[in-house]
Amino acid sequence: SAVISQKPSRDICQRGTSLTIQCQVDSQVTMMFWYRQQPGQSLTLIATANQGSEATYESGFVIDKFPISRPNLTFSTLTVSNMSPEDSSIYLCSVDPWGGSMNTEAFFGQGTRLTVV
Amino acid sequence: AQKITQTQPGMFVQEKEAVTLDCTYDTSDQSYGLFWYKQPSSGEMIFLIYQGSYDEQNATEGRYSLNFQKARKSANLVISASQLGDSAMYFCAMRVLSGNEKLTFGTGTRLTIIP
Repeated sequence: SAVISQKPSRDICQRGTSLTIQCQVDSQVTMMFWYRQQPGQSLTLIATANQGSEATYESGFVIDKFPISRPNLTFSTLTVSNMSPEDSSIYLCSVDPWGGSMNTEAFFGQGTRLTVV
Repeated sequence: AQKITQTQPGMFVQEKEAVTLDCTYDTSDQSYGLFWYKQPSSGEMIFLIYQGSYDEQNATEGRYSLNFQKARKSANLVISASQLGDSAMYFCAMRVLSGNEKLTFGTGTRLTIIP
């Protein structure tokens, strides 16, 4: 299994500002994933973060809006930039500790509940 | 591309009854895995059960079982003897062998257990 610590758990931010979310894993993992869950919606993958390379963004998400860092195999950050009320969501980081195996579950952080006012 | 469909936005079930949450999927990959996650109001994602595309038997984990019908491309979650603590959002998800470890989620079902 993997234990993921995600910070902050929640925040209320002013529009136009930026928030950086941190994700710390208790073991080394190759890939870390960042998801967004808008109110009442499902999880949508923002990007996949590999250590030592640029993150891979899904359609509809861009690096300028959601810059990601992955300085080592246990840590990643997601920044939500120039926020607007539409960015109000739960943001979750996720890992698969047995990377590359199809039949292993992904583990999630506790989520960051962001409200933009 | 993969797609997960959950057609029940909300369900109400009497405590101690069994409940089935529907999930259908679409993929052209032959190798894939199907997952169910529970999300309480606190927001965390809790893994419940897994079914592989080549598994011949339905998966079971305690009160959770997965009714896997490959020809129909369905992977319904069955919760037996429901409890008040089962009230939550439930998401069906899929990962394919060629999908670079990404999970594709359905829209979820909000389950409410009535005392």
